[in-house]
Amino acid sequence: GAGVSQTPSNKVTEKGKYVELRCDPISGHTALYWYRQSLGQGPEFLIYFQGTGAADDSGLPNDRFFAVRPEGSVSTLKIQRTERGDSAVYLCASSLGGGNEQFFGPGTRLTVL
Amino acid sequence: GENVEQHPSTLSVQEGDSAVIKCTYSDSASNYFPWYKQELGKRPQLIIDIRSNVGEKKDQRIAVTLNKTAKHFSLHITETQPEDSAVYFCAAYSNYQLIWGAGTKLIIKP
Repeated sequence: GAGVSQTPSNKVTEKGKYVELRCDPISGHTALYWYRQSLGQGPEFLIYFQGTGAADDSGLPNDRFFAVRPEGSVSTLKIQRTERGDSAVYLCASSLGGGNEQFFGPGTRLTVL
Repeated sequence: GENVEQHPSTLSVQEGDSAVIKCTYSDSASNYFPWYKQELGKRPQLIIDIRSNVGEKKDQRIAVTLNKTAKHFSLHITETQPEDSAVYFCAAYSNYQLIWGAGTKLIIKP
């Protein structure tokens, strides 16, 4: 079956612009996670959805970052007024529920010029 | 909250030798400990995991041990091969989050 997919694979934007990153989880996976990974570092937790609701958004760095999952499947990570420091690979993962294997998407490489 | 420390940051071993990567965690309530392998430019992929009710788990050349009392767990790779070269991350599941170690770059020397 299909794995986790993310679009776009690459996104280059200018400082101050708004971007949306999309994640399509594995069908039937109720849990969805967003991470951010900078070069040479491990994934940094951003937000966790269980179904449609954000069960834990404590990892979002500030109020420029927001994520939704309106129907409990596809999720969109939204970043307003992008800054150069937002440049990273944004990874999405899904699982059958908390505490189970997380399957990762290929990531979106965001570059803010 | 949970804190995961991973050592070493870089590990270089001769092909055919064994490699051991160690992690410690702080939250005694953590109950799930996966290990992920990430090759350059690719997504992390699970290679083995262990739950807190088990002390050891093995899958061919890969094994993981867990010491709940000491709050540490280790990844063991035997008979290393060139394709084992990658960055390895340990993680601990706590409060609905996977807290990740900083990663170990494993280099297999021919």
